[in-house]
Amino acid sequence: NAGVTQTPKFQVLKTGQSMTLQCAQDMNHNSMYWYRQDPGMGLRLIYYSASEGTTDKGEVPNGYNVSRLNKREFSLRLESAAPSQTSVYFCASSEAQRREQYFGPGTRLTVT
Amino acid sequence: QKEVEQNSGPLSVPEGAIASLNCTYSDRGSQSFFWYRQYSGKSPELIMSIYSNGDKEDGRFTAQLNKASQYVSLLIRDSQPSDSATYLCAVISNTNAGKSTFGDGTTLTVKP
Repeated sequence: NAGVTQTPKFQVLKTGQSMTLQCAQDMNHNSMYWYRQDPGMGLRLIYYSASEGTTDKGEVPNGYNVSRLNKREFSLRLESAAPSQTSVYFCASSEAQRREQYFGPGTRLTVT
Repeated sequence: QKEVEQNSGPLSVPEGAIASLNCTYSDRGSQSFFWYRQYSGKSPELIMSIYSNGDKEDGRFTAQLNKASQYVSLLIRDSQPSDSATYLCAVISNTNAGKSTFGDGTTLTVKP
């Protein structure tokens, strides 16, 4: 039982490049989330998926897209990376929307 | 005003003391409250969840919720150096489609 897994762990992109962050959970959770965390700050919600087949914008969705591929997997795509997207990205899942969330190990992204 | 505010740190306590972490929230429709611990360079991990007014105890940790005052706190008894971390308060509101809002965190240092 791995919980929530994320790939890659580290990534360096040049401005304008694209990439997809992958997230998978094996806890049979319905809801999944993508957050970013900037130094000294809390977590800000980018997108979430309340259940398979649905996605919704969070607090900071601009510059990102998501896909809920199936119940297990939720990916985050940066179409044209910008230095302002340099951050640590966390994926999380929960049994239902109003329940506790479990986090993956994070992806440290640097955009130069 | 931020939706979720935590007492500014850093907070330093001696080993064996009680650490008190506070969090206020602005949305009276909030229904679910969580405390997460985040070690430096790691992902957040759930410590406590609380859904109704009053106290909830789990080992050395006690969460206290007062919805009338829009206030949730975390007490750590017999603080240990291993408790040194950043503590994040998270709130979910029924009026905000179940999205989690996190505070910026309070960094706790427990000195031996």
